[in-house]
Amino acid sequence: AQKVTQAQTEISVVEKEDVTLDCVYETRDTTYYLFWYKQPPSGELVFLIRRNSFDEQNEISGRYSWNFQKSTSSFNFTITASQVVDSAVYFCALSGPLGFGNEKLTFGTGTRLTIIP
Amino acid sequence: DAGVTQSPTHLIKTRGQHVTLRCSPISGHKSVSWYQQVLGQGPQFIFQYYEKEERGRGNFPDRFSARQFPNYSSELNVNALLLGDSALYLCASSSAAYQETQYFGPGTRLLVL
Repeated sequence: AQKVTQAQTEISVVEKEDVTLDCVYETRDTTYYLFWYKQPPSGELVFLIRRNSFDEQNEISGRYSWNFQKSTSSFNFTITASQVVDSAVYFCALSGPLGFGNEKLTFGTGTRLTIIP
Repeated sequence: DAGVTQSPTHLIKTRGQHVTLRCSPISGHKSVSWYQQVLGQGPQFIFQYYEKEERGRGNFPDRFSARQFPNYSSELNVNALLLGDSALYLCASSSAAYQETQYFGPGTRLLVL
């Protein structure tokens, strides 16, 4: 069975501070994929990033960066110089091998991030 | 290109009624998945359809059913509604080619009274 744990229920930081959202996962698959999605108040889940289990390189995209460590089963997400527009609920998700109708996602319970102006 | 679209956006029903939610995937996407998100929780997988066949089913009762049409759009049906069915229902589509990502629609907010 797959499991995703986001221990931080809510985080509040002052604008321009850096913030890290934690994600710990459990899976027996040797091939798996990790995702981060952003959910603004409108409700739509916005895809941010996907990493596969064979690629542990950290990734940076603008103010966003992701740290994937298989040794600790973690896939953490850092926002640098946070902005009010970053306020949302962020979900970490896990799937097995992707493709041809096999994309079931297991989500964590989410972290509500509030950026204080 | 248009993203995933869902209808209706909001819906109010009473216990025991039936509801049908609709989803149109991104053009070219052949796989559609449905998720239920109860307030304060992460989305829970309900169904996945690929090429009009059910490819996965989550831990939901038989009151929940779905189908996919030849144009790859999909319907989620819920019978005998319970108060606990109140949730945001999200549809996601993917091309289902190797290593493809799911993209989500805006969801349908269902309130059961």
